[in-house]
Amino acid sequence: GQNIDQPTEMTATEGAIVQINCTYQTSGFNGLFWYQQHAGEAPTFLSYNVLDGLEEKGRFSSFLSRSKGYSYLLLKELQMKDSASYLCAVRDTNYQLIWGAGTKLIIKP
Amino acid sequence: NAGVTQTPKFRILKIGQSMTLQCTQDMNHNYMYWYRQDPGMGLKLIYYSVGAGITDKGEVPNGYNVSRSTTEDFPLRLELAAPSQTSVYFCASSYGTEADEQFFGPGTRLTVL
Repeated sequence: GQNIDQPTEMTATEGAIVQINCTYQTSGFNGLFWYQQHAGEAPTFLSYNVLDGLEEKGRFSSFLSRSKGYSYLLLKELQMKDSASYLCAVRDTNYQLIWGAGTKLIIKP
Repeated sequence: NAGVTQTPKFRILKIGQSMTLQCTQDMNHNYMYWYRQDPGMGLKLIYYSVGAGITDKGEVPNGYNVSRSTTEDFPLRLELAAPSQTSVYFCASSYGTEADEQFFGPGTRLTVL
């Protein structure tokens, strides 16, 4: 079967760094995506990885290891507005996205 | 650009009723998708389309139908509403390229009683 695992909830402090992990087992791999979703709103795109390594985009970075079926999203200099759910999604052999349940990130002052 | 728009924002249906969720995009995207999102679960793909006149089933198509007569519009039809269809429905679109960022509409919160 296809499975994507993420922690349900994480808490971090404003100004700190947090790493959100994602492990996956899917039928094929054609890229991994991270999306941000604020409560009551639609998901918005954060990052895309298809090759192993780190992709950096401002305060956000995403890492991929295809051999380990593992990715993480790194958020630096946390701000209160980063309080949201972070969704990991893998594009499978059929080019469809398989989504994790998301990690709710709570930022405390 | 308005991006992806969905109507209605909220709807309450009785069991057995029918309704159509509307979705329109103005980005000239070829690919369009319908997802449902239940609490504590990942987005599930219902149907998708790679262009006008072409639709295909996703992971959870039962109880739903779609059509794609134009590039812009991708309505989702519920024929006989059931309580199991209570969910938040998101429409999304994309160019269908390698990086394929999907742009989401604001969602429709549907309750079936």
